Amino acid sequence: GAGVSQSPSNKVTEKGKDVELRCDPISGHTALYWYRQSLGQGLEFLIYFQGNSAPDKSGLPSDRFSAERTGGSVSTLTIQRTQQEDSAVYLCASSLVAEGQGRGGYTFGSGTRLTVV
Amino acid sequence: SQKIEQNSEALNIQEGKTATLTCNYTNYSPAYLQWYRQDPGRGPVFLLLIRENEKEKRKERLKVTFDTTLKQSLFHITASQPADSATYLCALGRDKLIFGTGTRLQVFP
Repeated sequence: GAGVSQSPSNKVTEKGKDVELRCDPISGHTALYWYRQSLGQGLEFLIYFQGNSAPDKSGLPSDRFSAERTGGSVSTLTIQRTQQEDSAVYLCASSLVAEGQGRGGYTFGSGTRLTVV
Repeated sequence: SQKIEQNSEALNIQEGKTATLTCNYTNYSPAYLQWYRQDPGRGPVFLLLIRENEKEKRKERLKVTFDTTLKQSLFHITASQPADSATYLCALGRDKLIFGTGTRLQVFP
């Protein structure tokens, strides 16, 4: 597609429920990243996929968080047993390998605003 | 641990002046540094990239400097306009980017 698409744009869920957030990267982009941004805070790295390599999961805050990327394209971020502190905007970005390694930048989606009540 | 600092206070300047934003970092040796613009309710938008072996990069009214000795980058917007009002994020990386918290710029007429 023309840009990075994320769905849903907004999600309100009850504490303890599981949620799935979806990211459709730009076609042909081999690298995909998930970040989250809490109100008034910077972007916190969560996980990074690059081609067929094992993902870099070093930013996932707990084992309630997981992500997968199917067919090297669409990615789903799953949060199990959501807590109120999980409330944030979850941003997905993609890039060509060369861009991610210093020729250009990431292209971000508009994010999913998650509210846990 | 890695730390990226951007001025958390908003920068307010008059239209036509040059805005200068600062990004400092510690405990890191990035291969490159990037600047992004973020508007409310939107994802960040890439503006400029500068590599560790480059001192300065320009793009239209934007200029970025990168001093790996001082561990600092300066981001300049010349002839600023009210449309430049946004939050500007600095990001450092090798394979993945680590972002600063951003500085909000307000350009008033």
